[in-house]
Amino acid sequence: QKEVEQNSGPLSVPEGAIASLNCTYSDRGSQSFFWYRQYSGKSPELIMSIYSNGDKEDGRFTAQLNKASQYVSLLIRDSQPSDSATYLCAVNKGGSWGKLQFGAGTQVVVTP
Amino acid sequence: GAVVSQHPSWVICKSGTSVKIECRSLDFQATTMFWYRQFPKQSLMLMATSNEGSKATYEQGVEKDKFLINHASLTLSTLTVTSAHPEDSSFYICSARGSSQRGTQYFGPGTRLTVL
Repeated sequence: QKEVEQNSGPLSVPEGAIASLNCTYSDRGSQSFFWYRQYSGKSPELIMSIYSNGDKEDGRFTAQLNKASQYVSLLIRDSQPSDSATYLCAVNKGGSWGKLQFGAGTQVVVTP
Repeated sequence: GAVVSQHPSWVICKSGTSVKIECRSLDFQATTMFWYRQFPKQSLMLMATSNEGSKATYEQGVEKDKFLINHASLTLSTLTVTSAHPEDSSFYICSARGSSQRGTQYFGPGTRLTVL
């Protein structure tokens, strides 16, 4: 079992719709959770971080964390073509100098 | 805030030469820096973790004598690819983490290495 799992996609979303991305992790001791966006040929860019159970909203993005279910998700509202990218879920178990475990990423394609 | 730079952004070199890549945290002190490699269409692969003033910790399968990492200050880490070969051609990305950022890693823009 991979430590962090994501559906690889592609997830096709009509412009203006909500994109829903899911991520599960295996280590119950995980403490910090992150979503990064990576455009093709570019490095990852931090979108959201979440540490406590519940929802966290930032603009069109909402991260949701459920530690009991070992599940973290990202919602993108009013999806735009510029949101087309690969979204990486990352988990910090604590310790290990803050090493992150990354999922393989979900490719999102927003169609006009 | 939390800006990380890398230099160079791309480099082409001949087989057998060495290449140095710099990673700088511009507006925070990076207690820990990470080096990743990413091949086309593949996931990020962590190569090593370095703490300022300490030897780097390499992931399994990464040759420490080939990929030399130096983290001499709280704002600078370097990766030197020694005796580069075509199979070392890849996208090298660094990230940096401060002491008070709860594990948040901020990524540099990456360095695309092509070895001829």
